[in-house]
Amino acid sequence: DQQVKQNSPSLSVQEGRISILNCDYTNSMFDYFLWYKKYPAEGPTFLISISSIKDKNEDGRFTVFLNKSAKHLSLHIVPSQPGDSAVYFCAASPAYALNFGKGTSLLVTP
Amino acid sequence: NAGVTQTPKFQVLKTGQSMTLQCAQDMNHNSMYWYRQDPGMGLRLIYYSASEGTTDKGEVPNGYNVSRLNKREFSLRLESAAPSQTSVYFCASNLRTGEDQPQHFGDGTRLSIL
Repeated sequence: DQQVKQNSPSLSVQEGRISILNCDYTNSMFDYFLWYKKYPAEGPTFLISISSIKDKNEDGRFTVFLNKSAKHLSLHIVPSQPGDSAVYFCAASPAYALNFGKGTSLLVTP
Repeated sequence: NAGVTQTPKFQVLKTGQSMTLQCAQDMNHNSMYWYRQDPGMGLRLIYYSASEGTTDKGEVPNGYNVSRLNKREFSLRLESAAPSQTSVYFCASNLRTGEDQPQHFGDGTRLSIL
């Protein structure tokens, strides 16, 4: 039973525009959320995280928004760059174990 | 800047063969993890080791064993490989188990079982 869901398998965005990746979760016990980025043939790389006591966290071009009442979070990338093309995984943590979504493949076109 | 190193990168096994996947980290992390990723799926936790000398089951432990050899190394063993264990295996580590400690991943071992 998938507790973290990324319902969009893929997303295509033009360079310079905003990329918005979405994630929903079902377990209200989750209290820490992370985004990982993955290139082919490499392991996931940590991108940004947010605690459930916050509703926004920003790091350079990357911002994560958390809506606890809707059990929804999103990752905004502004401006998008071709090097951002990768698979993005949303993960939720109740403690030690990360629960991953299936990922969204982002393609940023010139 | 090695981080988390996994060996081998690729392996093909026959059903019933055994194999050990190796993982080592050089970041002085206390906690280590093994995940598997199947096509079109997210990563699922197989086993983890919160600290040297301890191991615990994750979401999908059946068919696997682990050994925390020392603080740096955490191995995953398939005693009798099955085609359902064909997957990409990722090892990860962090300073300690906890929500505020992002896990650092190796580049994976791609395992095919015929």
